Amino acid sequence: SQQGEEDPQALSIQEGENATMNCSYKTSINNLQWYRQNSGRGLVHLILIRSNEREKHSGRLRVTLDTSKKSSSLLITASRAADTASYFCAAHGSGNTGKLIFGQGTTLQVKP
Amino acid sequence: DGGITQSPKYLFRKEGQNVTLSCEQNLNHDAMYWYRQDPGQGLRLIYYSQIVNDFQKGDIAEGYSVSREKKESFPLTVTSAQKNPTAFYLCASSTLVGTVNQPQHFGDGTRLSIL
Repeated sequence: SQQGEEDPQALSIQEGENATMNCSYKTSINNLQWYRQNSGRGLVHLILIRSNEREKHSGRLRVTLDTSKKSSSLLITASRAADTASYFCAAHGSGNTGKLIFGQGTTLQVKP
Repeated sequence: DGGITQSPKYLFRKEGQNVTLSCEQNLNHDAMYWYRQDPGQGLRLIYYSQIVNDFQKGDIAEGYSVSREKKESFPLTVTSAQKNPTAFYLCASSTLVGTVNQPQHFGDGTRLSIL
């Protein structure tokens, strides 16, 4: 069963604007990870947030985690055309054996 | 350069044929994974392996088989029993700290189509 559900499914913004993507999951987690996928390529890890963390930053990325609501958000600030890609959340469930459950992804288009 | 190499990039299968997708990593990672991605969808886990000579079924293992004879290699065979094999297949690897998954590193995928 898929734990991660994301919204919106698609997002189109202008360069310089911020982009926010949301992820919800169903069971308790050890950590939650965000990945990026350019068209026709593999996924690239962006950021990992542990279940005891509430917020984490990496460059222009900001991730929040609310374990009471079983949700996470990814904010990309000052977006660039090169940020155009699909973004996936992946939940690492507590007590399992290292498996990640991926959401269906948000497709982000940043217009120059 | 350390990384994961998947080959071939494109693969075509005839009816009733088994095909094998290659995945090699030189990151010295213990764990390796195979995922299937359908258009507009997320990744679904086919098989994974945390140690040589051992592997476990993921969520959609039917019609697939794997082996893990070497730490660096985790080939996936798509058998004729898999009736809908057309998809993008991604291989990944990671280190493990206990049972906690560290970030996964992905190859660039193999796109499998039916002739």
